[in-house]
Amino acid sequence: AQSVTQLGSHVSVSEGALVLLRCNYSSSVPPYLFWYVQYPNQGLQLLLKYTSAATLVKGINGFEAEFKKSETSFHLTKPSAHMRDAAEYFCVGPNQAGTALIFGKGTTLSVSS
Amino acid sequence: EAQVTQNPRYLITVTGKKLTVTCSQNMNHEYMSWYRQDPGLGLRQIYYSMNVEVTDKGDVPEGYKVSRKEKRNFPLILESPSPNQTSLYFCASRTAGGGSYEQYFGPGTRLTVT
Repeated sequence: AQSVTQLGSHVSVSEGALVLLRCNYSSSVPPYLFWYVQYPNQGLQLLLKYTSAATLVKGINGFEAEFKKSETSFHLTKPSAHMRDAAEYFCVGPNQAGTALIFGKGTTLSVSS
Repeated sequence: EAQVTQNPRYLITVTGKKLTVTCSQNMNHEYMSWYRQDPGLGLRQIYYSMNVEVTDKGDVPEGYKVSRKEKRNFPLILESPSPNQTSLYFCASRTAGGGSYEQYFGPGTRLTVT
């Protein structure tokens, strides 16, 4: 079955600390993966996307993700968290037919001062 | 500005009263889709359309209808809403070809059915 699994529904970090949000995908998901961010009471914003051009992908707001085929992972990182990073983050990939996006269940990031 | 718009943004209604949520995109995209977002479940696809007059069910189509008479519009219809359809709804669009599956999302419609 196609799936995108986010490990940890809540992650809490201090301002300035490393952010690591984990995502694993099933091998049947085509090699196009995304991270979307949803700020409180807002819509979805594309953070970054992997389209097989490079395994390390840089996105907006200092985020990056590394595609590791051997581990079927696409973890999201940021070296230094800011208060404004507090949001819900979704790891996303297309279904095999390309007719829908499969969303992970989301990870809520909290940042404390 | 390239965008997907949805109306209304917020809607409170009663059980059984038919409603329509509109979605429009100005990017000439062939593909459009509706998702619902529920806490702890992420987003799940309701219906999608690969082009005008071509629609198909997603993972959770029960209780919903759609139509695609024009390329830019993809309304979501709830003919007899029930409380379990209380949710946050997103419309999305993308190009049909090119191998990119990136979808552009509207701002969302928060629906409450009492």
